[in-house]
Amino acid sequence: AQSVTQLGSHVSVSEGALVLLRCNYSSSVPPYLFWYVQYPNQGLQLLLKYTSAATLVKGINGFEAEFKKSETSFHLTKPSAHMSDAAEYFCAVSESGNTPLVFGKGTRLSVIA
Amino acid sequence: SAVISQKPSRDICQRGTSLTIQCQVDSQVTMMFWYRQQPGQSLTLIATANQGSEATYESGFVIDKFPISRPNLTFSTLTVSNMSPEDSSIYLCSVPSGLDTQYFGPGTRLTVL
Repeated sequence: AQSVTQLGSHVSVSEGALVLLRCNYSSSVPPYLFWYVQYPNQGLQLLLKYTSAATLVKGINGFEAEFKKSETSFHLTKPSAHMSDAAEYFCAVSESGNTPLVFGKGTRLSVIA
Repeated sequence: SAVISQKPSRDICQRGTSLTIQCQVDSQVTMMFWYRQQPGQSLTLIATANQGSEATYESGFVIDKFPISRPNLTFSTLTVSNMSPEDSSIYLCSVPSGLDTQYFGPGTRLTVL
């Protein structure tokens, strides 16, 4: 069975500071990994995905994530936080692009001016 | 990318009643997924809906409570039956796109009084 652990239910950073959201996964098969963002009262928007190609994945809005098999991690980073980045971030894993996603519990990112 | 719409976007219902949520996709897809996001929680898969066959439900979800229809390749409905306040959640549909991506609808925010 697959699972996702997101460390830290709430992360607070200053505007302009580095954003680091942690995600560790468990999977018995090579995983497909995703980060989604959910703004208040909105649906989920795909930030980026890893599907066994390059281990460093670049997404929208300046976010990127690195797949580290040895650490079973897929942490999300952004060099400089912006106020508009405040949202809930979900890491998810699946066996393929056509199978259901297993989500982590989410991390709420706050950005302080 | 797939464009997904859901109706209604939100509703407030009385306990004991039922609500049918619609999910419309702008392209033909074989599989559609329905998820539930309880307040402050992550997303949990309710069922997988394939056109032309019965939906497959996850543990803890039953057809009598969450009947699903999939009349064609672009449309699905999820009914929340005999509602109780515990059913207050955001309900989202999602579809695979290509081989490695899943997109989500905007969600239906349900409040049961």
